[in-house]
Amino acid sequence: DVKVTQSSRYLVKRTGEKVFLECVQDMDHENMFWYRQDPGLGLRLIYFSYDVKMKEKGDIPEGYSVSREKKERFSLILESASTNQTSMYLCASSSGAEAFFGQGTRLTVV
Amino acid sequence: LAKTTQPISMDSYEGQEVNITCSHNNIATNDYITWYQQFPSQGPRFIIQGYKTKVTNEVASLFIPADRKSSTLSLPRVSLSDTAVYYCLVVGNDMRFGAGTRLTVKP
Repeated sequence: DVKVTQSSRYLVKRTGEKVFLECVQDMDHENMFWYRQDPGLGLRLIYFSYDVKMKEKGDIPEGYSVSREKKERFSLILESASTNQTSMYLCASSSGAEAFFGQGTRLTVV
Repeated sequence: LAKTTQPISMDSYEGQEVNITCSHNNIATNDYITWYQQFPSQGPRFIIQGYKTKVTNEVASLFIPADRKSSTLSLPRVSLSDTAVYYCLVVGNDMRFGAGTRLTVKP
């Protein structure tokens, strides 16, 4: 069974903290993605990567960075968390048009 | 980047066929069209993909005209459990979701 695993289901962090969201896939996929989802806004692409050590900005990269040191792992980093980054974060991987999603991390920044 | 436009919401009744149309006017030659379904508190789930003409699987059908500027997802005989948000995507090197279509199936 294919799997995309996000490190936390729920997370509460303080304003200004550096936050790491981890995503691991076991399907040997080249492409990995980070999205955030807010009510009424659908999924918005933050960053994506199509190879190890490669990254591309999505539509809303401000305030975020990513790291892909190994093919199976794609990390999203909030350099200095702010309350407007409170959201559901979803990771996905794909090798073509079909993507597989993790269960999501609901991050609350207080 | 091919942007997609689809209705914000649709209502249907159990047992009916539902067709959701998506427009993607500037789709590129190598792009595929895919549809995803999302239930609350879950990540999206792949339903179907196509390049042109018609594709059918056990869940849905996808109709794509020759110019590929639009596509229609067809869900046969919907049930209450098909209530979800449906996203149309044009997939090239990236994977961008729009706001989706919120389908509500009523008894």
